[in-house]
Amino acid sequence: GDSVTQMEGPVTLSEEAFLTINCTYTATGYPSLFWYVQYPGEGLQLLLKATKADDKGSNKGFEATYRKETTSFHLEKGSVQVSDSAVYFCALSGLSTGNQFYFGTGTSLTVIP
Amino acid sequence: NAGVTQTPKFRILKIGQSMTLQCAQDMNHNYMYWYRQDPGMGLKLIYYSVGAGITDKGEVPNGYNVSRSTTEDFPLRLELAAPSQTSVYFCASTPAGGLFPGELFFGEGSRLTVL
Repeated sequence: GDSVTQMEGPVTLSEEAFLTINCTYTATGYPSLFWYVQYPGEGLQLLLKATKADDKGSNKGFEATYRKETTSFHLEKGSVQVSDSAVYFCALSGLSTGNQFYFGTGTSLTVIP
Repeated sequence: NAGVTQTPKFRILKIGQSMTLQCAQDMNHNYMYWYRQDPGMGLKLIYYSVGAGITDKGEVPNGYNVSRSTTEDFPLRLELAAPSQTSVYFCASTPAGGLFPGELFFGEGSRLTVL
C-alpha cells in the first residue's frame, strides 16, 4: 500500500544552520505530496505541496522538490530561525489512496539561538 | 473565520465510559477526517467521510463510530473507553479529493485521557 517514511528525529540546529528533513514515499499511482508543520499545542497546517513530478513547493523559505525517480520529497531551508522549531510531517494523497492522506511519523526540529 | 472547530479540548474519562468528540467546519468542505496522534507515532486515520451520509473506516477504526448527517458536522463517538484510546484527536477537512487533493485544514485537537 501507499506509505511515507521520513527521517527520525529529534533534530537540533543552531540558528542560521541549513536544514534537510528526508522524506521518501511508496505509491501505486501519482500522488500529491505535502509537508505539514505542527507548532506546540496546535493542529497541523500546510507548509507546502507539489502535485506532480519535478514540481517544487515553497513557502516561508522552505522548499521541497517532487522527485519521481528517487520517490523523495525532502524538505530544505537554507537558514533556520528559532521560530521554525516545530514538528514537520510529510504526507501524500491522491486517487490511489482513495481520498485518504498518509502521514509520516513526524520530525521534531528545535532551533537554538 | 472559524475553520475547523473541535470540542472539547481536554477530557478525562474512566474506563468503560462513552463520549462524543464534536467536529464542525464552516468551509463547506465535502471531505472530513478523524485522526489520532500518539507520541512518536505520527497520525493514524480513524474514519473519514467524502460527503453527508457517507463514511468509511480508516486504519484504526476499532472502538470508534462516526456519523455524517450534515456537511458541517462529523462527530466521533467513543464507546467503552479503554486506556489504549488515550491520545490527541484531530479532525480535518478538505474541499477536494481525487487526482489533485486539496489542503487539509485541521482543528486544534482534543486531548483525551482514559484512566
